[in-house]
Amino acid sequence: GNSVTQMEGPVTLSEEAFLTINCTYTATGYPSLFWYVQYPGEGLQLLLKATKADDKGSNKGFEATYRKETTSFHLEKGSVQVSDSAVYFCALSEGGGYQKVTFGIGTKLQVIP
Amino acid sequence: GAVVSQHPSRVICKSGTSVKIECRSLDFQATTMFWYRQFPKQSLMLMATSNEGSKATYEQGVEKDKFLINHASLTLSTLTVTSAHPEDSSFYICSAHNVEGQTQYFGPGTRLLVL
Repeated sequence: GNSVTQMEGPVTLSEEAFLTINCTYTATGYPSLFWYVQYPGEGLQLLLKATKADDKGSNKGFEATYRKETTSFHLEKGSVQVSDSAVYFCALSEGGGYQKVTFGIGTKLQVIP
Repeated sequence: GAVVSQHPSRVICKSGTSVKIECRSLDFQATTMFWYRQFPKQSLMLMATSNEGSKATYEQGVEKDKFLINHASLTLSTLTVTSAHPEDSSFYICSAHNVEGQTQYFGPGTRLLVL
């Protein structure tokens, strides 16, 4: 079956530091890959996605590249802000996002001033 | 962007009672909605897929008689936790598929506490 592995955290960074959250996946087919973000007290929001190998998803300064050879989709941001503090979920779907989504465990990011 | 709402956002009930949670897509029609459950410090686990006008499809290990799902219209799906027990306390999240955008949009979640 499908699975997503990501670092649990928490990850604590100072403002303006570089962020990497690793994510690897196992899938039977050719999934679409997603990063979702959950701010405190709120629901999940789609942060970015990539639907095929070598695609790069980007949004709000975050980016992730679909690496089929390493089955990875690592999330990066060059300079984090306090407002980026949240839980980040890596996820995959074999139906382009409209089939069921398999989530990673979520990584809590805390950015301190 | 597309919005999905859930009601209530928080509910506390006594053991043995039933609780209904509503999931609505506010500005789009959703033929498919999904119900997830999230335990503390764990990821979201899919419980069931809700299809408008037909029976829900449950994931392995999810009791369909305990977690009743009704997808009565293209904008509303309900999850009823029947005869709730403390172990059912969790965060329940729904999502709706926007056919046009081919994207799932998630609701804000409902926190259930069973005493």
